[in-house]
Amino acid sequence: GQQLNQSPQSMFIQEGEDVSMNCTSSSIFNTWLWYKQDPGEGPVLLIALYKAGELTSNGRLTAQFGITRKDSFLNISASIPSDVGIYFCAGQLGGGADGLTFGKGTHLIIQP
Amino acid sequence: GAVVSQHPSRVICKSGTSVKIECRSLDFQATTMFWYRQFPKQSLMLMATSNEGSKATYEQGVEKDKFLINHASLTLSTLTVTSAHPEDSSFYICSARQGGRAFFGQGTRLTVV
Repeated sequence: GQQLNQSPQSMFIQEGEDVSMNCTSSSIFNTWLWYKQDPGEGPVLLIALYKAGELTSNGRLTAQFGITRKDSFLNISASIPSDVGIYFCAGQLGGGADGLTFGKGTHLIIQP
Repeated sequence: GAVVSQHPSRVICKSGTSVKIECRSLDFQATTMFWYRQFPKQSLMLMATSNEGSKATYEQGVEKDKFLINHASLTLSTLTVTSAHPEDSSFYICSARQGGRAFFGQGTRLTVV
């Protein structure tokens, strides 16, 4: 089956720093999504990407859908304490009938 | 975004009993819902695709007789973990799609003792 390689696995940064994480795949995906998950909660959608090359922002978050459709990155600028959590990339092969394939997650820890 | 509600949020059951988890789309209709399982410190793994009015589609390695899925209406899918065992203890999360975006419920923490 498809696999998503997400890196880094964890990040320890200072408040105010910028963050970058990425996902790569051995397969082509038609949609890339980025989620944030807090402990004991379901994932919350941050950004959805639908076209190769697409660059989308949501506040301090920016994500891009790679040209090859096999990769995506998420950047967070000027991190704040509430950015702490686990970030997952997810890819979808086809249309609405397909479930998502998730990366292993990036655990973001912000030191004051 | 769309709201997906999952109930219960936590459940503890005895080994050998069955547990039902509900997933509702609150402000939209969903002909397809998805069930995921997440073990501690791991990623979400797709278990099955729930289709309204028809049989669910299970991923490889997921026992359909153990994880019963019923999608009786356009706003409700249920997952029943039958004859639960401690190794079934996990975080179960449902998802429904609207406008090309997948929205998730709050998750259900199942502990089998």
